[in-house]
Amino acid sequence: AQRVTQPEKLLSVFKGAPVELKCNYSYSGSPELFWYVQYSRQRLQLLLRHISRESIKGFTADLNKGETSFHLKKPFAQEEDSAMYYCALMDNQGGKLIFGQGTELSVKP
Amino acid sequence: GAGVSQSPRYKVAKRGQDVALRCDPISGHVSLFWYQQALGQGPEFLTYFQNEAQLDKSGLPSDRFFAERPEGSVSTLKIQRTQQEDSAVYLCASSLSGGAGNTIYFGEGSWLTVV
Repeated sequence: AQRVTQPEKLLSVFKGAPVELKCNYSYSGSPELFWYVQYSRQRLQLLLRHISRESIKGFTADLNKGETSFHLKKPFAQEEDSAMYYCALMDNQGGKLIFGQGTELSVKP
Repeated sequence: GAGVSQSPRYKVAKRGQDVALRCDPISGHVSLFWYQQALGQGPEFLTYFQNEAQLDKSGLPSDRFFAERPEGSVSTLKIQRTQQEDSAVYLCASSLSGGAGNTIYFGEGSWLTVV
């Protein structure tokens, strides 16, 4: 079964500390993985996708097929990073997204 | 418009009432998705359209849920005889076409509360 697991509901760090938001997936085939972010009172928006190998707002994520993980990392967290983060897997039949339950990141001053 | 637009933003329905939620995708976007997000959960897929064709409705939780996109643009999600467990945010999303290379853009959601 296709599934995305985000084990942490809440992650709280201080400004300037490193951040790692965990994401594990279950999928048969080559997965397409994404991180979406939802800032307070804003719509869900794409943060980054693994096929682009990009760094957005200092965040990076590496696909580890051996560990079936796609953890999101940032070396120095900023207060404006506080938001809900969702890891998502794209189904290769039609392109629907399968989301994890989300991790709330709280960056304290 | 600038983004995916949904209406109403907030809806309170009495149990047993029918509701209709509207989605205006980004102009020219072929693919349109509906998701349901319960409190404290991630979005869950409901249904998917490519133009006017409903290609996947595997996520619709019961036959009380019905979606349409008759002209391949605006879509409506209808919930008949609402129940308390239908209370959730209903998200609409669109993309230029299917596939991982195309960004999926989300609306702000329609918040449904069934009392």
